[in-house]
Amino acid sequence: EIVLTQSPGTLSLSPGESATLSCRASQTVSSSYLAWYQQKPGQAPRLLIYGASSRATGIPDSFSGSGSGTDFTLTISRLEPEDFAVYYCQHYGSSPTFGQGTKVEIK
Amino acid sequence: EVQLLESGGGLVQPGGSLRLSCAASGFTFRSYAMSWVRQAPGKGLEWVSVISGSGGSTDYADSVKGRFTISRDNSKNTMFLQMNSLRAGDSAVYFCAKVLEGAYDYDAFDIWGQGTRVTVSS
Repeated sequence: EIVLTQSPGTLSLSPGESATLSCRASQTVSSSYLAWYQQKPGQAPRLLIYGASSRATGIPDSFSGSGSGTDFTLTISRLEPEDFAVYYCQHYGSSPTFGQGTKVEIK
Repeated sequence: EVQLLESGGGLVQPGGSLRLSCAASGFTFRSYAMSWVRQAPGKGLEWVSVISGSGGSTDYADSVKGRFTISRDNSKNTMFLQMNSLRAGDSAVYFCAKVLEGAYDYDAFDIWGQGTRVTVSS
């Protein structure tokens, strides 16, 4: 099983600032089977990024994903008020796993 | 509109059983693998199980293997999760989710239901 470790646990930022979220895998994630999700309280997760760097339908270009192998990054270039949420990375090969999440909160 | 709607959650005693359903609409259900993902109160996401589009292939997380059974009825556009021998640690919101690409059993999840809550307690 691939263990995903996200950092930091909490990111305190102001609207308009950029956010950089990290996801490190315990072993190589093959074919970049890495996704990022956003979850707000009381809601289901929403797919942001798949294949490590491809934006899902309807996701603004302020969200970008990068990385390969064991190190992946989600960047939010200009935080809007609606971007404050919890973000999860996911490996979606066999036996999918999620990271523990990074909370992006308003400073 | 593509939509998933879970039902069947509730309060059950330890050792009991529960059957969750996920009704799909707005897409060709039989063409897509589907999964269950759960989230314990205040915790992160945990993948539970996957079933291929035809229903011929399934997989489970080690934490539920031997206790949970995933199935689907493509004639009714519905997926199920039969949960037996339930434990307190199974208490969570259970989401059903659709994979992004129909060709793959393991893929990112592009559509999620709103979730159904399962509470295992005496």
